[in-house]
Amino acid sequence: QVQLVQSGAEVKKPGASVKVSCKASGYTFTSYGISWVRQAPGQGLEWMGWISAYNGNTNYAQKLQGRVTMTTDTSTSTAYMELRSLRSDDTAVYYCARDRIVVVPAAIPTMAAADYWGQGTLVTVSS
Amino acid sequence: EIVLTQSPGTLSLSPGERATLSCRASQSVSSSYLAWYQQKPGQAPRLLIYGASSRATGIPDRFSGSGSGTDFTLTISRLEPEDFAVYYCQQYGSSPKTFGQGTKLEIK
Repeated sequence: QVQLVQSGAEVKKPGASVKVSCKASGYTFTSYGISWVRQAPGQGLEWMGWISAYNGNTNYAQKLQGRVTMTTDTSTSTAYMELRSLRSDDTAVYYCARDRIVVVPAAIPTMAAADYWGQGTLVTVSS
Repeated sequence: EIVLTQSPGTLSLSPGERATLSCRASQSVSSSYLAWYQQKPGQAPRLLIYGASSRATGIPDRFSGSGSGTDFTLTISRLEPEDFAVYYCQQYGSSPKTFGQGTKLEIK
């Protein structure tokens, strides 16, 4: 069965960086893309960006450009999201989510909804 | 960027009743690339509907989606106790893949 297991909660100071991992199992990792979505306390969902596990292509939300980097390690079927220069308004639960369909190499990102989600990682930014 | 506006913000209904949730886009959503998700407290979102009207695997047929262009609807035909949650629409036809602000479906 498809599973995405994320790393544990983090507490960071303003200005620091955080790197969240998302280990995939139960499917061919390199055939699908992964989106990252965050949710501030009591708020809605915010799409942060997408990475193709097929070739590493990325597409980031403009508001996070320059602060976010998404990568994959195909040898361990793990996706990573690093966010730098953390601010208090980055406090949120961060989710990874798999595309419902296989990667379309020419499409960045693949036009797909997310059918499997990680359990979420709480990142708290506080001095 | 496509902005999605969901209405109402909160919907109060009783089990057995019919729920109709709306999602309006600021511009046309290409190829009906519109999804609906359900989220319960402390849980990750769950995909219900993709392609505006196709049910995801394992989703009961009381959930249905419709619409095209800029206006989309999620209908729950007869509410079960487990359906009370927050519902989000998302367009994935263009980047960024934006979400609506959510509709909270609460027990009346």
